[in-house]
Formats: sequence, C-alpha cells, structure tokens
Amino acid sequence: GAGVSQTPSNKVTEKGKYVELRCDPISGHTALYWYRQSLGQGPEFLIYFQGTGAADDSGLPNDRFFAVRPEGSVSTLKIQRTERGDSAVYLCASSPSVGPRSGELFFGEGSRLTVL
Amino acid sequence: GNSVTQMEGPVTLSEEAFLTINCTYTATGYPSLFWYVQYPGEGLQLLLKATKADDKGSNKGFEATYRKETTSFHLEKGSVQVSDSAVYFCALSSGGFKTIFGAGTRLFVKA
Repeated sequence: GAGVSQTPSNKVTEKGKYVELRCDPISGHTALYWYRQSLGQGPEFLIYFQGTGAADDSGLPNDRFFAVRPEGSVSTLKIQRTERGDSAVYLCASSPSVGPRSGELFFGEGSRLTVL
Repeated sequence: GNSVTQMEGPVTLSEEAFLTINCTYTATGYPSLFWYVQYPGEGLQLLLKATKADDKGSNKGFEATYRKETTSFHLEKGSVQVSDSAVYFCALSSGGFKTIFGAGTRLFVKA
C-alpha cells in the first residue's frame, strides 16, 4: 500500500503477557518512529530509527519496551510483562530523510493496546 | 529539553468564525515547526510546516508564522468550516529529527 501500515489495529491482552506491534513504513522512507498516545494527550516519543539502527531510544519508558528494524524497513515494537499502564494507542510514522519533505512524519492508523 | 505548549481546548466556534490556536515552544538551536491534524476516525497528518524564522506555512486556508523572537507558531484560519472540526497538534523537530508534540487542541465548529 501507499501509506504506513500498522498491525494489529486492536490488541487486548492480559497483564503480564508479551505483545508485538508491527509497522510497515512507506517504501523508501529511511526514518521510522514509534510514539505512544494516551487519551486526550499528544503523541509521546518512544524511539526513532534511521535505517536499521536506533538513532534515539530515549523515550522508551523502561527495559520492558524494545523495538527492532532488522532490514531497515518493517519494525516491531515489543512489550514484555505488560502492565495496565501500557494501555494506549501506539503510533508508527515514517519520514524521508532527504528532499523537500524530510522531517515530515507520515503516520499509520495506530495499534490500540488494552491491557486488562 | 525541547518542549511545546499549546492552548487547552476544546475550542468551540460557529461556522465562518476566525480561529487562533496558540503554540509556543522551547528548543535549542533552530527547530522546524509543524502543525498536525487528526480528523475524527483518521490518523495524524501534516497540516503545514515552517523550517526557519519568519517563514509562513499555509495549507487549506490555515496559516502559521514562525516567530523566533516570541518562540511561537500560532495557527490561524480566517473562516472555519464544520469540516475543520478535529484535534490540532503543534510540534517541533530539532537536530536529529526527533519530533516533539504538544498535548493537542480539540476544535468543534458548529453549523
């Protein structure tokens, strides 16, 4: 597809379980971002990839959160031992790193995570 | 660290009214500034941007001017429509492309 694709769109899990959220960016976009958005709040930065490497992971709240992008395209956000406070919409965005639209974020529809 | 502060909502206006949503920022260096919009049931999308001081971004009748002296990037529209009802987010990107968002301002436009 032409846009950023995120799966699943909705995930309900139990406290303590492991969750993976997937992001398929726009083809050719080398930058990829993960954000978390709670109800009534703005997107909160989690991690940013440039190619395969995490250029900035300062927003990951603790070591239960981890993200990978092994081939510089698809990325997976992994959450271990989920807690109720992890419930939120997880947003993925991609961006071209060069050209007139560099720095502009193209967002997916998000993955809504509910931890019971 | 970098931060963005925008006016709290909700903002409720009648159709054809003038809109201002205030945004101020704190940043080191020379950030790029953005307004993103989230329409009901849709994902976040870029509305407009400005990359240097005194630049004016514009799109769909919305405008915002990058004011370095007041560290502001207020969003304006001369005549709002019902279809403009959405949540608006001010954002900045500085240095290594990390983009920081404000808390968002919800706009309701009544017919």
